[in-house]
Amino acid sequence: EVQLVESGGGLVQPGGSLRLSCAASGFSFSTYWMNWVRQAPGKGLVWVSRLKSDGSSTNYVDSVKGRFTISRDNAKNTLYLQMNTLRAEDTAVYYCARGWYGSFDIWGQGTMVTVSP
Amino acid sequence: QSALTQPPSASGSPGQSVTISCTGTSSDVGGYNYVSWYQQHPGKAPKLMIYEVSKRPSGVPDRFSGSKSGNTASLTVSGLQAEDEADYYCSSYAGSNDYVFGTGTKVTVL
Repeated sequence: EVQLVESGGGLVQPGGSLRLSCAASGFSFSTYWMNWVRQAPGKGLVWVSRLKSDGSSTNYVDSVKGRFTISRDNAKNTLYLQMNTLRAEDTAVYYCARGWYGSFDIWGQGTMVTVSP
Repeated sequence: QSALTQPPSASGSPGQSVTISCTGTSSDVGGYNYVSWYQQHPGKAPKLMIYEVSKRPSGVPDRFSGSKSGNTASLTVSGLQAEDEADYYCSSYAGSNDYVFGTGTKVTVL
């Protein structure tokens, strides 16, 4: 079964750091671009970042540039999102999603990140 | 990187059709054929319904169809069923390896 499972979310203070993980299974992880998408409580989806299959190219939404870093370990079939200098507005459910023909075809169940004193 | 514009809500009776619009610019929707649509039920992850403007992934009913004209894309759900009640989001490639989502539309089956 093709599956993505996120972990690493939790409660963190403003200015703090957190690393999210996304474990992939059931497909050839190393051949796909991978993405992070977030959704603040009661709000819409926001694309956050994407990473090329071999890890050589990264892109970020302006609001997280310089604070978030996307990476992957193809040997472990795992995608990561290192989040530093967290702000209240980063509070959201974070989904990892597989890139496919300009879309996101496989999604994880999401992991909740809450930034609060 | 401004969000694409969708109507906040849409509704229809069972068996009817509903169409949702997604308006962007020539830098995103109008510039590329990489428009996709997602269905999201409360508390669940989004599900891909349409990719590359009008293509359906395997397993998506043919009641769902997509189109595009200029800077506006549309999703039509024909033969509405109770399980179609959900939030729907469009997305588009926006150049420079960036993506943008729409503001979301809540579809209600009356």
